[in-house]
Amino acid sequence: DVKVTQSSRYLVKRTGEKVFLECVQDMDHENMFWYRQDPGLGLRLIYFSYDVKMKEKGDIPEGYSVSREKKERFSLILESASTNQTSMYLCASRTGTETQYFGPGTRLLVL
Amino acid sequence: QKEVEQDPGPLSVPEGAIVSLNCTYSNSAFQYFMWYRQYSRKGPELLMYTYSSGNKEDGRFTAQVDKSSKYISLFIRDSQPSDSATYLCAGVTSGTYKYIFGTGTRLKVLA
Repeated sequence: DVKVTQSSRYLVKRTGEKVFLECVQDMDHENMFWYRQDPGLGLRLIYFSYDVKMKEKGDIPEGYSVSREKKERFSLILESASTNQTSMYLCASRTGTETQYFGPGTRLLVL
Repeated sequence: QKEVEQDPGPLSVPEGAIVSLNCTYSNSAFQYFMWYRQYSRKGPELLMYTYSSGNKEDGRFTAQVDKSSKYISLFIRDSQPSDSATYLCAGVTSGTYKYIFGTGTRLKVLA
């Protein structure tokens, strides 16, 4: 079974804090993704990584950065958290057959 | 117009009913279609994956793609209260990384 894990299920941070969200997959997938999910807006792609140290911006990269130093790990960084970044953050990884598998999600509240 | 559209629901049905969940899409380049199930406060889990047109069956679930009318459906037979969740459809163009998700339909199966 594919396993995608995320470092935290729930996080509460203050405005202006630097926030790290970590994602690890155990299936040697090359592609990894970060999404945020908001009611009525669905899943929106923040960043995508197609290989170690390689990344591409998604639809809403502003205010976020990413790091992929190892194949199994993909980190999302909020440089200076703001209240409009309160959301559910979902990590996913993908096989060569186009199927994408999600982690359990991190609910982030920025106060 | 969104590339993938879903009725948000909620759709309430009695236990044992046949459920039909639907999406329409506008991007003719989509070649793969997925259905994900997402329980409250959890990450989406892959249910069904189909390529191009036609039907695919897996247990109580049948996914159907009609490319001529740009319509995808998920049928659930003998629905159970445990099927209560939000169902997300997604389309993807072969050779790209970008999944386009609908906003999801909330299903409630009443015991």
